[in-house]
Amino acid sequence: DAGVIQSPRHEVTEMGQEVTLRCKPISGHDYLFWYRQTMMRGLELLIYFNNNVPIDDSGMPEDRFSAKMPNASFSTLKIQPSEPRDSAVYFCASSPRQFPLSVLTFGAGSRLTVL
Amino acid sequence: TQLLEQSPQFLSIQEGENLTVYCNSSSVFSSLQWYRQEPGEGPVLLVTVVTGGEVKKLKRLTFQFGDARKDSSLHITAAQTGDTGLYLCAGDDAGNNRKLIWGLGTSLAVNP
Repeated sequence: DAGVIQSPRHEVTEMGQEVTLRCKPISGHDYLFWYRQTMMRGLELLIYFNNNVPIDDSGMPEDRFSAKMPNASFSTLKIQPSEPRDSAVYFCASSPRQFPLSVLTFGAGSRLTVL
Repeated sequence: TQLLEQSPQFLSIQEGENLTVYCNSSSVFSSLQWYRQEPGEGPVLLVTVVTGGEVKKLKRLTFQFGDARKDSSLHITAAQTGDTGLYLCAGDDAGNNRKLIWGLGTSLAVNP
């Protein structure tokens, strides 16, 4: 398996523009997670899905953020409009099961810079 | 908000040295995971500890879960340059919709 695939790897955009990040989870993994990582706050869970259904989106910062999972092999995280404080590395991760023995496999991340 | 505190925040050592990094909380966790993250990559799971007092070994890495399941340590023997990276701990909070609580990590640099 190719692992969790994220695109783009790097995105530089200007404030106010729409940003769409994409993720392809590992086939057969029922859980998909979107995280944001910054130096100051570390890894923050934004939202997670189980069988394509959003389960917990309490970590989504505000209405500018939205996430979808139209099928088992694809998810998007959209920011509209983007702001400089959204600059971070965004990770997608998938897991075949929930805790306590979940095994999160992370993608390589999408580094977002909002000017 | 529950926190996992990791120490030290930064560590720079010479190849061949031993080191221990810590992950502490005032809360009890059902399980705790350790990840290593290299620059430009996502975190990679190293180990999961579940039972209080549990010790797990992964080659030169030894992981221990505290008896009260509130803390954990990672000991590396004879560090190698390939051990360089960010070490993250994450606790499974059974009372918070089974979310993982993450520490900020220990950034380890092993110099040749």
